[in-house]
Amino acid sequence: AQKVTQAQTEISVVEKEDVTLDCVYETRDTTYYLFWYKQPPSGELVFLIRRNSFDEQNEISGRYSWNFQKSTSSFNFTITASQVVDSAVYFCALSEAQAGGTSYGKLTFGQGTILTVHP
Amino acid sequence: DSGVTQTPKHLITATGQRVTLRCSPRSGDLSVYWYQQSLDQGLQFLIQYYNGEERAKGNILERFSAQQFPDLHSELNLSSLELGDSALYFCASRPAGGVDTQYFGPGTRLTVL
Repeated sequence: AQKVTQAQTEISVVEKEDVTLDCVYETRDTTYYLFWYKQPPSGELVFLIRRNSFDEQNEISGRYSWNFQKSTSSFNFTITASQVVDSAVYFCALSEAQAGGTSYGKLTFGQGTILTVHP
Repeated sequence: DSGVTQTPKHLITATGQRVTLRCSPRSGDLSVYWYQQSLDQGLQFLIQYYNGEERAKGNILERFSAQQFPDLHSELNLSSLELGDSALYFCASRPAGGVDTQYFGPGTRLTVL
């Protein structure tokens, strides 16, 4: 069975601090996808990034960066120079592998990390 | 804006009642997923439809059912509602062609009194 663990329930930082959100996953599949979603106070779920299991390159997008390490089954998310607008709940998620070329793609979510950035 | 629409935004009803939540996927997306977000269970997958057919089922209660219509919109029907069904219900759609990113609608917040 698939499982995603976000050990940090809540993180509180002051603006301009860097912050890393941890995500550890479990799966028996050799092909899978990992995601990060942001849920701001307004409630919607906003897609941030997708990474497939064959691509271990780290990615940077503006102040956001992601570190994928297959050896430790981790997919951590770092926000550099955090801002108040980054305050949200962040979810890490895993989708199952393709089956016969068709990926059913249901997402297994972690419990989420509440990030509060204080001015 | 993800392009996925959900109605209504809020729904307040009483125990024992039945409600229908509606979802319109992004233009061209054939897959629709339903998820439930509650305080105790977190975000959980309920059910998936692909081009009108049920493809996968998660922890969906027997009191809940869904369908996807020929125009690809989907409805989630919740019946014999209980207090514990109060939650945020999300719909997501996924592009065809093997791209696995799901784009979520704004959600429907259901309150059962």
